[in-house]
Amino acid sequence: ETGVTQSPTHLIKTRGQQVTLRCSSQSGHNTVSWYQQALGQGPQFIFQYYREEENGRGNFPPRFSGLQFPNYSSELNVNALELDDSALYLCASSLYLGGGSETQYFGPGTRLLVL
Amino acid sequence: KNEVEQSPQNLTAQEGEFITINCSYSVGISALHWLQQHPGGGIVSLFMLSSGKKKHGRLIATINIQEKHSSLHITASHPRDSAVYICAPHTDKLIFGTGTRLQVFP
Repeated sequence: ETGVTQSPTHLIKTRGQQVTLRCSSQSGHNTVSWYQQALGQGPQFIFQYYREEENGRGNFPPRFSGLQFPNYSSELNVNALELDDSALYLCASSLYLGGGSETQYFGPGTRLLVL
Repeated sequence: KNEVEQSPQNLTAQEGEFITINCSYSVGISALHWLQQHPGGGIVSLFMLSSGKKKHGRLIATINIQEKHSSLHITASHPRDSAVYICAPHTDKLIFGTGTRLQVFP
């Protein structure tokens, strides 16, 4: 158990729809990162939020957006879903204290299928 | 060329064998993470290291910053070690390798 939860666990949407995925971080963690993992691939960095501000973004289009809330929860929103958005979406929380890297605690993921 | 290369991609072993998984990367990093992913998706952080060696139970991770290479070793492997092991160097973000799928048979 990492103390990080995600909801829902599974989701089916159709092309063009919008989806919101949720993550609850470990209490006290000030940073949350979101990753997309396609089948058979390693995770790809989507973006990171630090103290409720976006703090880095991977190579994903603007229809991928996020929010981080003061209560250690966060959201990943994807608009205009495409078939290629079908993947496992992982969030990871950490406590950033400045300098270097920090241990990331991963949630179990949300498996999204776009039909 | 990928920024992170892991080898082997797939690995099978008999229970009790010594396992080595290698990771080479081409970017400057502040640290490197080794992660374990079980079927179903959950990822567990095994190690974060920026130099030298770390040991946790039967797992040992080493890194050579100059050679941009890290290894994960499992001593006395067990079927419950069966999982995908992912190397993830940290630049300004985590960059993930595609993983090494390990199966340990009794």
